[in-house]
Amino acid sequence: DTAVSQTPKYLVTQMGNDKSIKCEQNLGHDTMYWYKQDSKKFLKIMFSYNNKELIINETVPNRFSPKSPDKAHLNLHINSLELGDSAVYFCASSPSGRPKNIQYFGAGTRLSVL
Amino acid sequence: SQKIEQNSEALNIQEGKTATLTCNYTNYSPAYLQWYRQDPGRGPVFLLLIRENEKEKRKERLKVTFDTTLKQSLFHITASQPADSATYLCALDESGGYQKVTFGTGTKLQVIP
Repeated sequence: DTAVSQTPKYLVTQMGNDKSIKCEQNLGHDTMYWYKQDSKKFLKIMFSYNNKELIINETVPNRFSPKSPDKAHLNLHINSLELGDSAVYFCASSPSGRPKNIQYFGAGTRLSVL
Repeated sequence: SQKIEQNSEALNIQEGKTATLTCNYTNYSPAYLQWYRQDPGRGPVFLLLIRENEKEKRKERLKVTFDTTLKQSLFHITASQPADSATYLCALDESGGYQKVTFGTGTKLQVIP
């Protein structure tokens, strides 16, 4: 059983299109995240939801819109795709409360914008 | 500005030796520091966590140290094996109102047989 699963694994699309990535976790965690990993492998947080509520919104273009229908799901919709959006997008989840804020990652979605 | 830097982009070592990776940070006050392993085409996987009041943590062949004065963590893999080849990421967890970790730039470790 995959703990954090995201679909699709690969996404190839043209500039200007709109696309969505889906994520689901079966770990019972309250917090979910979207990260972007660029070509230099730098992993940067984009958004975080805690129990369906947006709690972290880093400086991300508003073409990116996350949506959490319930605490086990976090989707990412991207409008008007640009070449610079090409990257690997990771979904992650973590259990609530400190001290453990350990991130459990999905396998990633490799987005290529042509 | 805030920075998390890991010593080098790539590190090559001979099998059986101890690999030492560094994580240096500026303008952070982490309560915890985490280390992750990332293999090509996969998401990072958590390895170890160390608290600000702990000097050292061990798990099998892995050892992590945390020096809040130097603002540095060292990650050691003893008796390294080719299977240890991967990218290793440190991540800082600051005390704060919400759950967020910030990742370092990563070090790609290659263990040569």
